[in-house]
Amino acid sequence: SQKIEQNSEALNIQEGKTATLTCNYTNYSPAYLQWYRQDPGRGPVFLLLIRENEKEKRKERLKVTFDTTLKQSLFHITASQPADSATYLCALPPRAGNNRKLIWGLGTSLAVNP
Amino acid sequence: GAGVSQSPSNKVTEKGKDVELRCDPISGHTALYWYRQSLGQGLEFLIYFQGNSAPDKSGLPSDRFSAERTGGSVSTLTIQRTQQEDSAVYLCASSPTSGATDTQYFGPGTRLTVL
Repeated sequence: SQKIEQNSEALNIQEGKTATLTCNYTNYSPAYLQWYRQDPGRGPVFLLLIRENEKEKRKERLKVTFDTTLKQSLFHITASQPADSATYLCALPPRAGNNRKLIWGLGTSLAVNP
Repeated sequence: GAGVSQSPSNKVTEKGKDVELRCDPISGHTALYWYRQSLGQGLEFLIYFQGNSAPDKSGLPSDRFSAERTGGSVSTLTIQRTQQEDSAVYLCASSPTSGATDTQYFGPGTRLTVL
């Protein structure tokens, strides 16, 4: 079955540095991959989607890469700010069929220190 | 509405009581999901509704859990004879299915505490 792995250890970085989070997947080739942000006590919020034929996607200070050979996506936050502190989740579509349930990673907690 | 809404935002109940949690999805979204999230844990899928199709109940942890979606819009998650291990945040999400992707829009969640 499909499996997603995200860094389980929290990432602590200094304000202004670039944060890089990893999402690895196995056992299939998804048509796209999504990244969400979740703050404590709130539901996840969609950030970016990258398709299998896109190597890189940018949105303001966010950049996502998608390496279908490595089966990996990297999520970068440049010029990080304390307000970027949150848990970041990656999600992939199901392998096939009419089932449209996303498959979720467990998330990586990011803390940006002032 | 502007986003997914859930009610109540907090629910404290006694062990053995039944609870109902409500979700109002974004208007026009045909897909609706329920998740559970315990403190510090990932999203646990519970149930998925898609249009008029039979719901995918594969994530419901026991027969004490049930959900329905009336008129293709509002959904209610019911937990009967609540147990302390049911304490968690219950999240609802909706998704438009007119597009090729399945971006999910989440509500703020209902925090359930079973004493």
